[in-house]
Amino acid sequence: SAVISQKPSRDICQRGTSLTIQCQVDSQVTMMFWYRQQPGQSLTLIATANQGSEATYESGFVIDKFPISRPNLTFSTLTVSNMSPEDSSIYLCSVDSSLSETQYFGPGTRLLVL
Amino acid sequence: QQQVKQSPQSLIVQKGGISIINCAYENTAFDYFPWYQQFPGKGPALLIAIRPDVSEKKEGRFTISFNKSAKQFSLHIMDSQPGDSATYFCAASKSHGGSQGNLIFGKGTKLSVKP
Repeated sequence: SAVISQKPSRDICQRGTSLTIQCQVDSQVTMMFWYRQQPGQSLTLIATANQGSEATYESGFVIDKFPISRPNLTFSTLTVSNMSPEDSSIYLCSVDSSLSETQYFGPGTRLLVL
Repeated sequence: QQQVKQSPQSLIVQKGGISIINCAYENTAFDYFPWYQQFPGKGPALLIAIRPDVSEKKEGRFTISFNKSAKQFSLHIMDSQPGDSATYFCAASKSHGGSQGNLIFGKGTKLSVKP
């Protein structure tokens, strides 16, 4: 299985600021995904990030609010811009493992916006 | 429109009993159906997954039953243990090009196993 790490693991931020979340994988992967999990809720896909191309965003999520970088096959960042309390969530990255045909999740970044 | 419906929302089972969680999907193009287990403060961990070419898959105490015609699949946890107490999510996606695709998640089931 892929080993995924995320930084920071948690943060408390002031409204109006931005936070960049890093996702590192221990192997090269083609596709990386960013999800949001609001408190006590299910997971919702924000965007899909492929190396060498722009991220593809799901309905309700826009690049200006959630810019994503994917500089190589093991790393991606998600920025939560101009934060408001409604952005308080767990942000998770996941990757496909072509070897095991499964999708694995990182530990998540717990964000609280005051 | 919720494409994956999960029930029950919460479940209490005695130790040693069978826990059953059900999911129904709408999109007939879905071909990958995983179950994830999530403990508080942790990311979801893949438990077991199935594809529509089989009706059942078993791994240890965990079994997925799949009914393609009814567009339903369920997770059975045999001999449930207190350590199984967690939130369980079903999901579905349409795989393509070697990727499992964008997972659509159910709303989750909080399982409590009483000793």
